[in-house]
Amino acid sequence: TQLLEQSPQFLSIQEGENLTVYCNSSSVFSSLQWYRQEPGEGPVLLVTVVTGGEVKKLKRLTFQFGDARKDSSLHITAAQPGDTGLYLCAGEGTGRRALTFGSGTRLQVQP
Amino acid sequence: KAGVTQTPRYLIKTRGQQVTLSCSPISGHRSVSWYQQTPGQGLQFLFEYFSETQRNKGNFPGRFSGRQFSNSRSEMNVSTLELGDSALYLCASSGGTYETEAFFGQGTRLTVV
Repeated sequence: TQLLEQSPQFLSIQEGENLTVYCNSSSVFSSLQWYRQEPGEGPVLLVTVVTGGEVKKLKRLTFQFGDARKDSSLHITAAQPGDTGLYLCAGEGTGRRALTFGSGTRLQVQP
Repeated sequence: KAGVTQTPRYLIKTRGQQVTLSCSPISGHRSVSWYQQTPGQGLQFLFEYFSETQRNKGNFPGRFSGRQFSNSRSEMNVSTLELGDSALYLCASSGGTYETEAFFGQGTRLTVV
């Protein structure tokens, strides 16, 4: 069974602060995706990383895939209230198309 | 392009009843996956259908079943409902650049009383 652990589980910060969310596993993943989910809605795909060591930027969000493709991080610079939500990482296992989701990081950005 | 549509949005059922949830994927997407989301267990994979065939299955009891039609629309059925089945059921369609990238619907909130 492939497990993805996210940390921290909860994060409450002030507008303008920086933060990093981590997604770790002992398993290797073919690719890893990050989603954001707002209350009452389904998760929305933010990014997919495929290559070990890959770094992708989406405005103030920076995503990194570990060299060994077992972990990933999401860094948000100068957080804004609109960044509030549940952040989920999801890994595609090698040889299995189904996604394994992490437990999520609930982020609240106070104005 | 229209997104993933799930119906109904909310549902209240009594223990022991059965329920059918519906999902219409993004046009052109042939893969539909179902997930259960609860505060305690997070997002858990139920099953995936591709071209009317179940391609992957999660670790859920046989009370949970699904099917996919020739137009890629999918239904999920839960029989003999239990209180613990109360959850947000999410459907996701895939078929973009990366085959596993999931585009989710808004979900169906099922409450079992």
